[in-house]
Amino acid sequence: GAVVSQHPSWVICKSGTSVKIECRSLDFQATTMFWYRQFPKQSLMLMATSNEGSKATYEQGVEKDKFLINHASLTLSTLTVTSAHPEDSSFYICSARDEGGHRAFFGQGTRLTVV
Amino acid sequence: AQTVTQSQPEMSVQEAETVTLSCTYDTSESDYYLFWYKQPPSRQMILVIRQEAYKQQNATENRFSVNFQKAAKSFSLKISDSQLGDAAMYFCAYRSADFGNEKLTFGTGTRLTIIP
Repeated sequence: GAVVSQHPSWVICKSGTSVKIECRSLDFQATTMFWYRQFPKQSLMLMATSNEGSKATYEQGVEKDKFLINHASLTLSTLTVTSAHPEDSSFYICSARDEGGHRAFFGQGTRLTVV
Repeated sequence: AQTVTQSQPEMSVQEAETVTLSCTYDTSESDYYLFWYKQPPSRQMILVIRQEAYKQQNATENRFSVNFQKAAKSFSLKISDSQLGDAAMYFCAYRSADFGNEKLTFGTGTRLTIIP
């Protein structure tokens, strides 16, 4: 089945630094990928839709300059948390839809801790 | 905008018994997809079952089945013969059938505990 790989699975960074999270579709091409954020014991909230070759579409309330998304190829999307602060600490999950299908495949998630 | 509501924050069931998780949603669209996802402690999201709104027949996947009531906008998940490995958070999710609007909207989740 389709696999989405997310890296790193966890990261600790200092306040003020930037962190990049990668999301790769391993055996299919994904023109669209999605980035979600999940706070402890809460649901997944969509942050943005990543479109290959074009700008990402951000959900209301999500700062596009803080959460930079790049989808440079059909198999890779990256989320960069810029100038991270402790309130950015969360679990970030990406997903990708396989072409022609109706399933969304999820990465393993990245636990970000900003100290 | 679509909303998904899961009114049961927690549920528990005896091993081998049957449990039903509730989900309601609100939408003005006529064509869409509904999903149940499982999130175990590893936090990997796993698709449990999917239902297309235009299909009247309820989806079934082994021990998992749904009761899809389109008019009532209800989409419950029944787990039969519950197993210890079923313990997880379960999220109901909605997706439009419109091309280009394929994001998932999730409910708040139900934590399912299996009692040995």
